[in-house]
Amino acid sequence: SQQGEEDPQALSIQEGENATMNCSYKTSINNLQWYRQNSGRGLVHLILIRSNEREKHSGRLRVTLDTSKKSSSLLITASRAADTASYFCATSDYGNNRLAFGKGNQVVVIP
Amino acid sequence: EAQVTQNPRYLITVTGKKLTVTCSQNMNHEYMSWYRQDPGLGLRQIYYSMNVEVTDKGDVPEGYKVSRKEKRNFPLILESPSPNQTSLYFCASSLSRGLSEQYFGPGTRLTVT
Repeated sequence: SQQGEEDPQALSIQEGENATMNCSYKTSINNLQWYRQNSGRGLVHLILIRSNEREKHSGRLRVTLDTSKKSSSLLITASRAADTASYFCATSDYGNNRLAFGKGNQVVVIP
Repeated sequence: EAQVTQNPRYLITVTGKKLTVTCSQNMNHEYMSWYRQDPGLGLRQIYYSMNVEVTDKGDVPEGYKVSRKEKRNFPLILESPSPNQTSLYFCASSLSRGLSEQYFGPGTRLTVT
């Protein structure tokens, strides 16, 4: 079943602005991952944050994880037109052998 | 180059005509998986495989079959396709189980008329 749920579902911003999207989940997790998908293409892994981590950075990406609230956020700083894509969170838990993906979060960066 | 390949990329077929979508990875990954993506529903897992000869159902396995005879290949078989299987399909692989990052293929867009 789907566990990750992103919020908001669609975001439109100007180039140079920051984009923030959130993901909530229901059960205990081992890790949470964020993926990007450009229109109709395969998903690309962006960042993985483990359940014992609170924050992680990768380039212009910043991910936070709050296990007490069962939520995560992805921040893209200084957005570029090339960041236009759908962003998915995915969770894995200890009892499962798979990732559960959210429905995705569409981000449009206007040049 | 490390990659997951899928073939065909696009396929239009008719109801009931058996088809196979191939998936191959060159990273020696143990774990492979098939997803389908539909508007408003996100990605849903169809089947996954932890290793050779080990496969298990995901969230939406009805109407699909898989096999894992070799580590690098994980074909998806639709024995009797129906229009509700029209979708975008992705194969993915990862080093171990579902806990590590997954590498996705480019997708196969299937239309069943």
